[in-house]
Amino acid sequence: DSGVTQTPKHLITATGQRVTLRCSPRSGDLSVYWYQQSLDQGLQFLIQYYNGEERAKGNILERFSAQQFPDLHSELNLSSLELGDSALYFCASSVVSGNPVHEQYFGPGTRLTVT
Amino acid sequence: AQKVTQAQTEISVVEKEDVTLDCVYETRDTTYYLFWYKQPPSGELVFLIRRNSFDEQNEISGRYSWNFQKSTSSFNFTITASQVVDSAVYFCALSEGGDSSYKLIFGSGTRLLVRP
Repeated sequence: DSGVTQTPKHLITATGQRVTLRCSPRSGDLSVYWYQQSLDQGLQFLIQYYNGEERAKGNILERFSAQQFPDLHSELNLSSLELGDSALYFCASSVVSGNPVHEQYFGPGTRLTVT
Repeated sequence: AQKVTQAQTEISVVEKEDVTLDCVYETRDTTYYLFWYKQPPSGELVFLIRRNSFDEQNEISGRYSWNFQKSTSSFNFTITASQVVDSAVYFCALSEGGDSSYKLIFGSGTRLLVRP
């Protein structure tokens, strides 16, 4: 158990809908990362938050957004869903965002299926 | 540009065989970090090791060992006396010191199947 929790574990929804994925980092971790794992794109970085503020964006679609709340949990919002958004979405947390780099610990993931 | 290449898509071995998973990386940064993660059939990503670019010492942890060679930009992972429980997808990843986000750039993964 990494200490990172994600809910829900599975999500099935229809095209055009909006969903929210939730992540709670390990106790004491300030940095939260979101990654998407799909068959065609592999594991890709989406976005990072550090202590409530957006730190970096990767290949995140405009239809996707995220935030980190004062208690450090984070939510990833996916809207106007398309079939191609079906993937496994991981949240990861690390102690700090800086040098030296610490390893990221991953949650169990949310498997999103868009039908 | 940064990149991680895991050329072996799938490897199949018989239990107790040794197996090496290859990882080649590209980066312009002089400070960077390399990682290996394991993804068992249950789907979670499990951290195995972190290596800093300024520390080329190889590491051994039980049946696992890692060989970091800056000269060839490689960070290979060897499992000695493989077991069925080692069956998983293994990912090599890179994090660059010049990138303030320290996001992970993953390779495409190597699926390891250990047959009894």
